[in-house]
This record gives sequence, structure tokens and C-alpha cells, in this order.
Amino acid sequence: EIVLTQSPGTLSLSPGERATLSCRASQSISSSYLAWYQQKPGQAPRLLIYGASSRATGIPDRFTGSGSGTDFTLTVSRLEPEDFAVYYCQQYNNSPYTFGQGTKLEIK
Amino acid sequence: QVQLLQSGAEVKKPGASVKLSCKASGYTFTNYYVHWVRQAPGQGLEWMGIINPNSGGTSFAQKFQGRVAMTRDTSTSTVYLELSGLRSEDTAIYFCARDRTHAGFDPWGQGTLVTVAS
Repeated sequence: EIVLTQSPGTLSLSPGERATLSCRASQSISSSYLAWYQQKPGQAPRLLIYGASSRATGIPDRFTGSGSGTDFTLTVSRLEPEDFAVYYCQQYNNSPYTFGQGTKLEIK
Repeated sequence: QVQLLQSGAEVKKPGASVKLSCKASGYTFTNYYVHWVRQAPGQGLEWMGIINPNSGGTSFAQKFQGRVAMTRDTSTSTVYLELSGLRSEDTAIYFCARDRTHAGFDPWGQGTLVTVAS
């Protein structure tokens, strides 16, 4: 099973600042099979990024995914109030299709 | 638009079984796999398994082997998750999600809360 470790656990920033979220895999993942999701309280997760760097439909360009192998990053260039949420990375290269434990992005 | 609509909340006693539904609309049902993912209160996301709506073939996380079943009804474009031998640790929100074929899970259903309590 591929274990995904996200850091930091909580990130406290202000609107307008840049956020950098990390996802490290226990073994190499094909970049085609790494996704990022955003989840707000009481809602289902929403797909942001797939294939490590492709934005899903309707996702603003302030969200950027990058990385390869075992190290992946989600960057939010200028935080908007609606961006404060929990973010999960996921690999769908090998079953079981595991998720990271999440990074909570909170308002400072 | 593409949508997955899940059944309503359930309350079950320990040892019981629960069967949840997830109705697809807005796309060709048999063309996309569907996953089930659960989230315990205040916790992260846990992948449970996948069903191929075309063939009915399934694959489950080892943790759930032996007490999970996933089925589908192509006439109503609905997939089902059945979990047996319920225990308090199964209390969670259960989500279905469409597999975009090597492009992530999207969309997700709204989730179904299952509460297991005596």
C-alpha cells in the first residue's frame, strides 16, 4: 500500500498570501495518477488537480499542482477567503487508492 | 449535468448490515467506474473499493474484504454499497465518486451518514 504523508498538518495564512502544501509518497507514483481535492465543512471533496498538474474544470488558475516521483506540491498563489478548507492528495496508481491525511488551511 | 445522488442517512445497531445507493445521471452509466470512500467524524478519507458498472466487477480494500459488497442496476443507473457486521467504528459519511478514467474522482455524491449505535 502506498502511504501518502501531507505536510504541514495545519497552515495558518492570511488572504492574499501564498500557500504551499506538500504530499510525499512512500514509493514512486506515476505523475499521471496523483490528484488533489478540496473539502469544506459539510461538503463532499471537490477535485482540483489530476495528473499531478492538470486543473479540473472550473478550477481557478491560482491553484497549481507540481511534482513527480514521490514529492508533490499544491500551490495556491493568492489566497481568497473561499480557499480556506482541508486539502487531500490521493494516488490512483495502485490499489488501494490511498489519500493523504489532509492539510487544514486556516485563516490567520 | 453529471451528478451522483445518494440515499439518506441510516442508523443501525452493531452487527447489522446497511445498503446504500448512489444514482448516476448526466452521463453514460456503464462508461465510468464508481468508487466508494468513507470519512469517519473529524477524520480523513478512506478508500473502500470500486465497481465497474458495465461488468459488475469489483475490487475492495483489504480492510473490508469479507464484509463489503458492491452491486449495480444498469436499468436505473444506480450502484449500491452493502456493509455487514457493522461496528461503532463504521460510523462515517459514505461517499460515492465517479472515476474519470485516470483523471481523478469527479463528481462525488453528497454523502450518506451511517451511524452505528446500540
